[in-house]
Amino acid sequence: AQSVTQLGSHVSVSEGALVLLRCNYSSSVPPYLFWYVQYPNQGLQLLLKYTSAATLVKGINGFEAEFKKSETSFHLTKPSAHMSDAAEYFCAVSRNAGNMLTFGGGTRLMVKP
Amino acid sequence: IAGITQAPTSQILAAGRRMTLRCTQDMRHNAMYWYRQDLGLGLRLIHYSNTAGTTGKGEVPDGYSVSRANTDDFPLTLASAVPSQTSVYFCASSDPGRLGYTFGSGTRLTVV
Repeated sequence: AQSVTQLGSHVSVSEGALVLLRCNYSSSVPPYLFWYVQYPNQGLQLLLKYTSAATLVKGINGFEAEFKKSETSFHLTKPSAHMSDAAEYFCAVSRNAGNMLTFGGGTRLMVKP
Repeated sequence: IAGITQAPTSQILAAGRRMTLRCTQDMRHNAMYWYRQDLGLGLRLIHYSNTAGTTGKGEVPDGYSVSRANTDDFPLTLASAVPSQTSVYFCASSDPGRLGYTFGSGTRLTVV
């Protein structure tokens, strides 16, 4: 079985500050890992994905995430937050290329002016 | 525009009524999924289909049924709605050659 834990259901940062959203996973096999973003009243959009190539993955809108096997983590970061980054972020894991995803509980990012 | 269409966008439904949420994709993806999204619980898988003609149960299948008569359509049916089924429902699809999902815009369902 696989699972995903996102630490912090709400994160608040100031505009221009570092964004760090935490994700830890458990998986019996090397996982595929994903970050999705959901803007209000919309579906989920893929930010980035880890597929066992480079451990540092760059995504859209300046986000990146680093896969750390020793820590079973896949934290999402962005050096400088923009107001437009305010959204809900979901970490997800897939055990294989069959694609069935297990999602974490989500983290709502708030950006203060 | 290629993607997933869900209907209706939102619905208020009386408890005990039957309801079908529609999902159509035009990307010829083999696999399709239904998730429900609830505050603090993220997205939980209700049912899935790896290919037309096959379906499977996810984490929270009770009270829901699906069918997959063709590649494009994957309707979700609530046979007799209950208030605990109040949620936002997302349909998604995936292509085995590209990891990750394409999501629909969701259906907000309120059961009263």
